[in-house]
Amino acid sequence: GEDVEQSLFLSVREGDSSVINCTYTDSSSTYLYWYKQEPGAGLQLLTYIFSNMDMKQDQRLTVLLNKKDKHLSLRIADTQTGDSAIYFCADFGGYNKLIFGAGTRLAVHP
Amino acid sequence: NAGVTQTPKFQVLKTGQSMTLQCAQDMNHNSMYWYRQDPGMGLRLIYYSASEGTTDKGEVPNGYNVSRLNKREFSLRLESAAPSQTSVYFCASSARGTGANVLTFGAGSRLTVL
Repeated sequence: GEDVEQSLFLSVREGDSSVINCTYTDSSSTYLYWYKQEPGAGLQLLTYIFSNMDMKQDQRLTVLLNKKDKHLSLRIADTQTGDSAIYFCADFGGYNKLIFGAGTRLAVHP
Repeated sequence: NAGVTQTPKFQVLKTGQSMTLQCAQDMNHNSMYWYRQDPGMGLRLIYYSASEGTTDKGEVPNGYNVSRLNKREFSLRLESAAPSQTSVYFCASSARGTGANVLTFGAGSRLTVL
């Protein structure tokens, strides 16, 4: 079946940039998403990118998509303690369903 | 605007007991979903309903049943709970048109099966 993979943990210093990476296997992906989950809460959409785009920027967030390598990344500029959360990559493709990665826990320290 | 509301937020069951998780959305969305979240495994789709009157199995449907009661409500039933069903359950909904299928999630229901 289709798969989405992410590293499980990332630690950064406050004020630095964070880069969270994701790889997916579905060659017919149409949209790819980043969701954020804060402790004890549901998932919130951060941003998404259409598969014919290479990059999307939204304030401190930059999404890069390399469709050839099936690689998606999320860059958070000037990372703050409030950015500490779990970040999920998700793929909507050929199975007409949203497939999630395992999530990357971002820890921001002073 | 409440979005997606799930009840209960917490539940403890004994093995073999049954229960129903309720979900309602007020965004007039066509599609609704039930996911479970387990540590290190992300979210796995249990069942979904693309539109009122239809339901389909996801990745991990065994041990669960669903009912799309109307456009607003989508319930998840555990007929005979097992410890392997200890998890956090999320309901979600989406408009599911021709564009990006953006899901709106509920706050989750934490279920423990002893």
